[in-house]
Amino acid sequence: DGGITQSPKYLFRKEGQNVTLSCEQNLNHDAMYWYRQDPGQGLRLIYYSQIVNDFQKGDIAEGYSVSREKKESFPLTVTSAQKNPTAFYLCASSILQGNTEAFFGQGTRLTVV
Amino acid sequence: GNSVTQMEGPVTLSEEAFLTINCTYTATGYPSLFWYVQYPGEGLQLLLKATKADDKGSNKGFEATYRKETTSFHLEKGSVQVSDSAVYFCALNPNQAGTALIFGKGTTLSVSS
Repeated sequence: DGGITQSPKYLFRKEGQNVTLSCEQNLNHDAMYWYRQDPGQGLRLIYYSQIVNDFQKGDIAEGYSVSREKKESFPLTVTSAQKNPTAFYLCASSILQGNTEAFFGQGTRLTVV
Repeated sequence: GNSVTQMEGPVTLSEEAFLTINCTYTATGYPSLFWYVQYPGEGLQLLLKATKADDKGSNKGFEATYRKETTSFHLEKGSVQVSDSAVYFCALNPNQAGTALIFGKGTTLSVSS
């Protein structure tokens, strides 16, 4: 079945450590996105990519980094510079052109202790 | 710029009650509009969409009409069920190069039997 897979579902890390969240899609979509979700704040865009080896900052990119070496994969690294990393992280993908929706993974809940 | 505003929650209803969740938007150009639903601990699922003015999206008894004159896309359901309890997000695709979906803050719906 085609879809987006995020792993792991739950992640615990100590303060000051970098951590990488995985996102893989087999929908042959060109565009991929990372959103952060906090209670009462909806979804905020961290980074997005529309083509391999290229990506753009979203509204809250500080303290995060991404790479897009393959069309299928768009990992997100939460660095120690992110002041409040505990959140629910959602990856999505879409085709590039047209009036299209985005398809979402099941999310990763990151807790920093 | 582009933005989405949806009514604050939570919305609490009894089973079989009528549901309306308001959503208004600002956009340049000709956006597409979406409603997504999120169940606890999961990612977002597309509920319905409309790609041009006066289009009506519908799915699982939910409906929303793209009203350009009032810049609105209100979600309605005639008779809610307990299983409809979830968080609902209104979203906009600006359909402009180099942009991502923009989401409202979400509205929590709780339906009791």
